[in-house]
Amino acid sequence: EAQVTQNPRYLITVTGKKLTVTCSQNMNHEYMSWYRQDPGLGLRQIYYSMNVEVTDKGDVPEGYKVSRKEKRNFPLILESPSPNQTSLYFCASSKGEWYEQFFGPGTRLTVL
Amino acid sequence: AQKVTQAQTEISVVEKEDVTLDCVYETRDTTYYLFWYKQPPSGELVFLIRRNSFDEQNEISGRYSWNFQKSTSSFNFTITASQVVDSAVYFCALSDLRDDKIIFGKGTRLHILP
Repeated sequence: EAQVTQNPRYLITVTGKKLTVTCSQNMNHEYMSWYRQDPGLGLRQIYYSMNVEVTDKGDVPEGYKVSRKEKRNFPLILESPSPNQTSLYFCASSKGEWYEQFFGPGTRLTVL
Repeated sequence: AQKVTQAQTEISVVEKEDVTLDCVYETRDTTYYLFWYKQPPSGELVFLIRRNSFDEQNEISGRYSWNFQKSTSSFNFTITASQVVDSAVYFCALSDLRDDKIIFGKGTRLHILP
């Protein structure tokens, strides 16, 4: 089954404790993205990747890091989380930025 | 700069009414793609439609239709004879040639009342 998986689905952590949210897709897609969804702000792109070892900033990259060492995986790293990063995070993949995106189920992160 | 505006934050209609969700976009490119996604109460994001800037034909899929008008930079979405299952947040999105980002609107929350 074609899918995008994210782990964990829920995470409560404390300020400053490094965390990684994993994302994996099995569709051989080249384009992958991370978004955060906040009430009243819609979906905002954090980082995206056009292919392996190619990543670039979206609209809200501050406080986040990503890597793309393999085509299927695109982890999101928060090196020192802060409460303003409490949000719902979605990973997505597609053939490219001009194609429909397939979204993961979301990760709800709370930073205390 | 790219921008997508969904001015309707929240809409409530009674079942079986028609409803139109507005999407206005800004881009300096002549080549771009527009999308609609649905997020039902369960939270997943579901793709509905993609339209490129060279194809201004309106599209109909069952009770759903989309009206793309380059002259007004709009890509509106109409649900005919709405049903309770249409209750969701709907997002419009834009991607153009200028960069590789995808810009989403803030979404419109649609309530279909039985």
